[in-house]
Amino acid sequence: DTGVSQDPRHKITKRGQNVTFRCDPISEHNRLYWYRQTLGQGPEFLTYFQNEAQLEKSRLLSDRFSAERPKGSFSTLEIQRTEQGDSAMYLCASRKRTNEQFFGPGTRLTVL
Amino acid sequence: DQQVKQNSPSLSVQEGRISILNCDYTNSMFDYFLWYKKYPAEGPTFLISISSIKDKNEDGRFTVFLNKSAKHLSLHIVPSQPGDSAVYFCAASPNNAGNMLTFGGGTRLMVKP
Repeated sequence: DTGVSQDPRHKITKRGQNVTFRCDPISEHNRLYWYRQTLGQGPEFLTYFQNEAQLEKSRLLSDRFSAERPKGSFSTLEIQRTEQGDSAMYLCASRKRTNEQFFGPGTRLTVL
Repeated sequence: DQQVKQNSPSLSVQEGRISILNCDYTNSMFDYFLWYKKYPAEGPTFLISISSIKDKNEDGRFTVFLNKSAKHLSLHIVPSQPGDSAVYFCAASPNNAGNMLTFGGGTRLMVKP
């Protein structure tokens, strides 16, 4: 199995711009999660997909955030009109049947 | 409201000795607990987990202990090695379909040669 991959690894953008991140989970993992981690904190849950269905969204996920998993494989997370407070590491994880989630390397977003 | 807490932001241990990392939780709905290790610029790596029906789980040098009545878990690393130096996160999951993880703030472990 290849691991969870995320693209890009780093993104620098100006305030107000839109950004999109991609996550490719481990193949056959039907559950996919997005988390956000800021400096000195643990990851915080954002949203979760089972196959293509988005089943849970955190209060952290404002209207500017949208996530999709159109074919139940890869997922995208889009942030519209980015703000400086969006600067963080965005982590994707996937799992199959057991409770262990396997994380990708993350996308570090810097909003100037 | 921090449901999972790691009260020690850092821990320094001599190589070969035991490292003990602690974690407390408040939510009684949590019934599965995990430890992750994180190096800079990488995602968290799964280490070991424990279900609430157990009080101990062991995997090589890593042992996790769970005290449900105290809502406390700990990770023991014996013997500690310099390569264990990283940030360790405990995470908890409720027994529902989503099983989303709630993480503590992390403990930075430094193992000195």
